[in-house]
Amino acid sequence: QAVLTQPSSLSASPGASASLTCTLRSGINVGTYTIYWYQQKPGSPPQYLLSYKSDSDKQQGSGVPSRFSGSKDASANAGILLISGLQSEDEADYYCMIWHSSAWVFGGGTKLTVL
Amino acid sequence: EVPLVESGGGVVRPGGSLRLSCAASGFKFDDYGMSWVRQAPGKGLEWVSGIKWNGGSTGYADSVKGRVTISRDNAKNSLYLQMNSLRAEDTALYHCARGYTSGEFDYWGQGTLVTVSS
Repeated sequence: QAVLTQPSSLSASPGASASLTCTLRSGINVGTYTIYWYQQKPGSPPQYLLSYKSDSDKQQGSGVPSRFSGSKDASANAGILLISGLQSEDEADYYCMIWHSSAWVFGGGTKLTVL
Repeated sequence: EVPLVESGGGVVRPGGSLRLSCAASGFKFDDYGMSWVRQAPGKGLEWVSGIKWNGGSTGYADSVKGRVTISRDNAKNSLYLQMNSLRAEDTALYHCARGYTSGEFDYWGQGTLVTVSS
């Protein structure tokens, strides 16, 4: 079982909100991890969006709109990237990442379609 | 201006070696840890290796451990990745990124393509 699992795809309408999940493998407690989120558009390298450990321990990437925010769902053992007020330019692949067992580990990524 | 530019990719036979380079500019290179992250064609991101600002500590993904060595030359503002015993599954676009001890990889290069094929 992968350390981080993300749904492969998600669709949402312009103006709506999208909640992208990053589920940690059973036995790895989301509460103890800082989750990092990246956005990647076709033909471009990834861009750092934000990090979230708790409401008092979070960082927004430079220039990243406040429409992007992070949270956790402890009951689901998952990190969440919430994108509100979806715009067509938000269509991209999104990756979560954590530091686990002395290595950075990425989730498989979610392709977000805005239509 | 992109502050990170990779080079050294190419086509190599299985079992062969390559040395990737990343030239940094526009920031104080020796203030930052650095990482290599790869992306196989049509696939997701995979962190490969990282190195602290002074080269005093390094880390590797299990998939490359023992076959890859990361290094840096702060006098030349350069990051390197020596790759040996290459396999088909190492075929990917290799990006260098600013960051290692923090997961905030805030600058990325466009990448250099490594193709391992007979």
